[in-house]
Amino acid sequence: AQSVTQLDSQVPVFEEAPVELRCNYSSSVSVYLFWYVQYPNQGLQLLLKYLSGSTLVKGINGFEAEFNKSQTSFHLRKPSVHISDTAEYFCAVSENTGGGNKLTFGTGTQLKVEL
Amino acid sequence: DTEVTQTPKHLVMGMTNKKSLKCEQHMGHRAMYWYKQKAKKPPELMFVYSYEKLSINESVPSRFSPECPNSSLLNLHLHALQPEDSALYLCASSVREAQETQYFGPGTRLLVL
Repeated sequence: AQSVTQLDSQVPVFEEAPVELRCNYSSSVSVYLFWYVQYPNQGLQLLLKYLSGSTLVKGINGFEAEFNKSQTSFHLRKPSVHISDTAEYFCAVSENTGGGNKLTFGTGTQLKVEL
Repeated sequence: DTEVTQTPKHLVMGMTNKKSLKCEQHMGHRAMYWYKQKAKKPPELMFVYSYEKLSINESVPSRFSPECPNSSLLNLHLHALQPEDSALYLCASSVREAQETQYFGPGTRLLVL
């Protein structure tokens, strides 16, 4: 069975500072990995995804993530955050179990950008 | 265009009411999903439809009844809900039911009184 761990429930950071949101996963088969962002009272928006190929993935809004198979991690980074990045961030793993595509989410990390 | 639309945006219903949530996508996706999200929690999968057939039901109570009338539409019929069913209901779609990217709608915020 697959699982996703987001160790940090909240990450406060000052505007223009760099940030890293951590995500670790466990799965017995090959996985696809995703980061989604959820702004208050909205649905989920795809930030970036790793399906195969280059382990460094670039997404929207200046975010990037690195897939590390040996560490089973997929940490999200941004070199300089903006106030508008304040939101909830979910890491997710998709595993084809033969019974269908199931997307399992981590518990989320609240990124709070302060002036 | 990666848009999934959901109506209504907000819904308030009593425990004896019958209501429906609607989800629509025109991206030609053949897999559609319903998720339930409680406050400060991640989304939880409820149902998966693949090629208009129900392929996954995550042991959801029968007071929630999904329906996929065609490849673009997904409904969630609600009857005799409980206050604890109050949540944000999210719809998503993907090209197929393989390990594909899921695109989410804005959700319907449901309050059961």
